[in-house]
Amino acid sequence: DQQVKQNSPSLSVQEGRISILNCDYTNSMFDYFLWYKKYPAEGPTFLISISSIKDKNEDGRFTVFLNKSAKHLSLHIVPSQPGDSAVYFCAAKETDKLIFGTGTRLQVFP
Amino acid sequence: KAGVTQTPRYLIKTRGQQVTLSCSPISGHRSVSWYQQTPGQGLQFLFEYFSETQRNKGNFPGRFSGRQFSNSRSEMNVSTLELGDSALYLCASSPRGQVSSYEQYFGPGTRLTVT
Repeated sequence: DQQVKQNSPSLSVQEGRISILNCDYTNSMFDYFLWYKKYPAEGPTFLISISSIKDKNEDGRFTVFLNKSAKHLSLHIVPSQPGDSAVYFCAAKETDKLIFGTGTRLQVFP
Repeated sequence: KAGVTQTPRYLIKTRGQQVTLSCSPISGHRSVSWYQQTPGQGLQFLFEYFSETQRNKGNFPGRFSGRQFSNSRSEMNVSTLELGDSALYLCASSPRGQVSSYEQYFGPGTRLTVT
């Protein structure tokens, strides 16, 4: 059973606009969430994280929002750039390990 | 600092064979985790090693095993390969014991193809 779900396998956004990537989880015991970005032929790289005691964390163009009651988090990228085109994974911390979603492929076009 | 390195980058094996993959973590990182990535399944956690001890294990059969050496380098072994084992195997290291210890640093992966 997939505890961390990314229901949109792909997303296409125009350069300069906002990209919103969504992630849902089922386990209310998750207390820390992370987003990773992955380019082809490379390993995922850490992007941004958020603790369950917060509802928002911002880092430059990237903002993560957490809605604990809905068990939902989202990653906002503003403005989107062509270099943001990649696969994005959300992950949740369960005790001592990370549970990853299946990923969303973001394509930013000119 | 050098990043996480994995060898080999690509591997082709036949069903029934065994394979060993290697991972060298970032200097100073004592935790090494292994993941399997397949299309539609995301990153599936295999196991984590810390100070030469397996700390966590995912839901994979016993054909998947690993170990960690005193210099924190880790190896993963898959015995009696099956076609379904074809995947990208990723290794990640983290410093542990620090606030950001769950920010894992991934290597480029080993692409294993089983024929």
